[in-house]
Amino acid sequence: GDSVTQMEGPVTLSEEAFLTINCTYTATGYPSLFWYVQYPGEGLQLLLKATKADDKGSNKGFEATYRKETTSFHLEKGSVQVSDSAVYFCALSSTSYDKVIFGPGTSLSVIP
Amino acid sequence: EPEVTQTPSHQVTQMGQEVILRCVPISNHLYFYWYRQILGQKVEFLVSFYNNEISEKSEIFDDQFSVERPDGSNFTLKIRSTKLEDSAMYFCASSGLKRGLSTDTQYFGPGTRLTVL
Repeated sequence: GDSVTQMEGPVTLSEEAFLTINCTYTATGYPSLFWYVQYPGEGLQLLLKATKADDKGSNKGFEATYRKETTSFHLEKGSVQVSDSAVYFCALSSTSYDKVIFGPGTSLSVIP
Repeated sequence: EPEVTQTPSHQVTQMGQEVILRCVPISNHLYFYWYRQILGQKVEFLVSFYNNEISEKSEIFDDQFSVERPDGSNFTLKIRSTKLEDSAMYFCASSGLKRGLSTDTQYFGPGTRLTVL
């Protein structure tokens, strides 16, 4: 079945460091890919998405590019802030309105 | 910005009791979902609901679980006889046709933390 794998962390970075969280997926067809973020004590928020190969999703300085050839959707940010401390979930949905399949989440802590 | 709301934010119950978790999806959305997240683990799909019926359910969603859209705005998840292992954060989500919002993106509520004692 479809699945998502991501580095589990925890990841600890200093403020203004470069962030990469790796994500790879297994799916039939052409799924939509997502990054969700969960801040401490809060629910899941959509961070960015991409719906087809070579699409780049971006939001709040975060970026991820849909790479079909490597089945990857790595999350990057050039300069992290303390407020970026959260758990980041890579996810996919095989068709519109289908269930979202989540990776295990990566906990990020950014220290001043 | 429209959002999914859930009540209560935290529910404590005794093992064997029935609980109902409530969700108000984004208005005019057509697809509704429940997920759960056991503490420290990944988010797992429970059930999807469309046109007043279940469209898909996972193996977790056994006979103890049921969903309902009783009045056109609320979407509920009922656990008939709770077990200790039902303790988790339960998320409601919705997607569908809404002007200004992507149709294939699921928007999640803040979650209900269920504690079964």
